Amino acid sequence: SAVISQKPSRDICQRGTSLTIQCQVDSQVTMMFWYRQQPGQSLTLIATANQGSEATYESGFVIDKFPISRPNLTFSTLTVSNMSPEDSSIYLCSVEEGLSNEKLFFGSGTQLSVL
Amino acid sequence: EDKVVQSPLSLVVHEGDTVTLNCSYEVTNFRSLLWYKQEKKAPTFLFMLTSSGIEKKSGRLSSILDKKELFSILNITATQTGDSAIYLCAGMKTSYDKVIFGPGTSLSVIP
Repeated sequence: SAVISQKPSRDICQRGTSLTIQCQVDSQVTMMFWYRQQPGQSLTLIATANQGSEATYESGFVIDKFPISRPNLTFSTLTVSNMSPEDSSIYLCSVEEGLSNEKLFFGSGTQLSVL
Repeated sequence: EDKVVQSPLSLVVHEGDTVTLNCSYEVTNFRSLLWYKQEKKAPTFLFMLTSSGIEKKSGRLSSILDKKELFSILNITATQTGDSAIYLCAGMKTSYDKVIFGPGTSLSVIP
């Protein structure tokens, strides 16, 4: 399976600041996905990042709060803007693999704590 | 609305026990059922199931899907403390390959 590197691994941030999370894949992929996992909760899809077009956001998530870049087929960033303690979560990037993209694999994750 | 339900939500067993984790789903345009193990941050892939009745096995873990009853189980035999984790079940849709995750089952294996 693809190797998906994500950084930072964890960070502690102050309220009102922004953090950019990077995701690097060792192979070219069409779509990259960004998920959030709030404490004690399951994974929720934030957005789908396609190379060369605007990201597609899920209900409840907006570009101003979670801007995403996808400059090429191996890299994406997610920014968490104007953070509040409610943004404290694990953020995960993921890609599809398999003969017909039937499996989802995850990066190492970013543990974000907002004070 | 698409949803994935898992039971139990938490479970404590002793080493050597066999456990069965349950997953039911209501996912429109269903494509596949995925199982993951999450120990720290990143979920690691366990199984992908697309056809009913075909058991997938990996060591002490096995899983099967029932597409008629919209149900899947994950079995772990001879549990070890290293099996302690959250086990996530997810349904993948055909449309835009969206994946719906369940709440997870937190498994604790005590010596």
